[in-house]
Amino acid sequence: ETGVTQTPRHLVMGMTNKKSLKCEQHLGHNAMYWYKQSAKKPLELMFVYSLEERVENNSVPSRFSPECPNSSHLFLHLHTLQPEDSALYLCASSQELAGGHSGDTQYFGPGTRLTVL
Amino acid sequence: TQLLEQSPQFLSIQEGENLTVYCNSSSVFSSLQWYRQEPGEGPVLLVTVVTGGEVKKLKRLTFQFGDARKDSSLHITAAQPGDTGLYLCAGDVLTGANNLFFGTGTRLTVIP
Repeated sequence: ETGVTQTPRHLVMGMTNKKSLKCEQHLGHNAMYWYKQSAKKPLELMFVYSLEERVENNSVPSRFSPECPNSSHLFLHLHTLQPEDSALYLCASSQELAGGHSGDTQYFGPGTRLTVL
Repeated sequence: TQLLEQSPQFLSIQEGENLTVYCNSSSVFSSLQWYRQEPGEGPVLLVTVVTGGEVKKLKRLTFQFGDARKDSSLHITAAQPGDTGLYLCAGDVLTGANNLFFGTGTRLTVIP
């Protein structure tokens, strides 16, 4: 496997279910991200992990819970979701340089298409 | 919030035509990136522009960063059906994390 992979590619769940999305990067990067892409809305950053520590949480509801056990893996745990949470969830990774950055390239996975019934 | 407006939102053209997509903001960015996203896939980086006034060419695609680093344009010459996709601009701000703010997107369809 190369690049950034995400599983599952498609997920349908009820509002009372608990599920997890998985992301794996094979690029040796030290930062990983979760984004939400909805129709008619710009791509929204949800969580950022740098060196396995969460550095950004853009006011995401607690029904979304991220986990980064190591620099190659990122999970998004889902519970009691709402129909408006239906969207494409994208994972990305990048190599953050010490002392700041300018235009660090983010590499995206193919996404998980989530439908909440 | 750093809002990036892209125009047009939708564009359908014939193969061989030229087109320009715009990305505008009232915020200043340290750099700006352009991505293309195809159905069922994640966005793929096309180019990063860093310097105000910078112009970069990638085959038939020409990218320009505004002098004030608030806006950018993407010009495609002689569009091909393979250019079809969602074009996204994304501005980078120096907040200590690689925090990209994405534009609203332009969905391009090139008709053979």
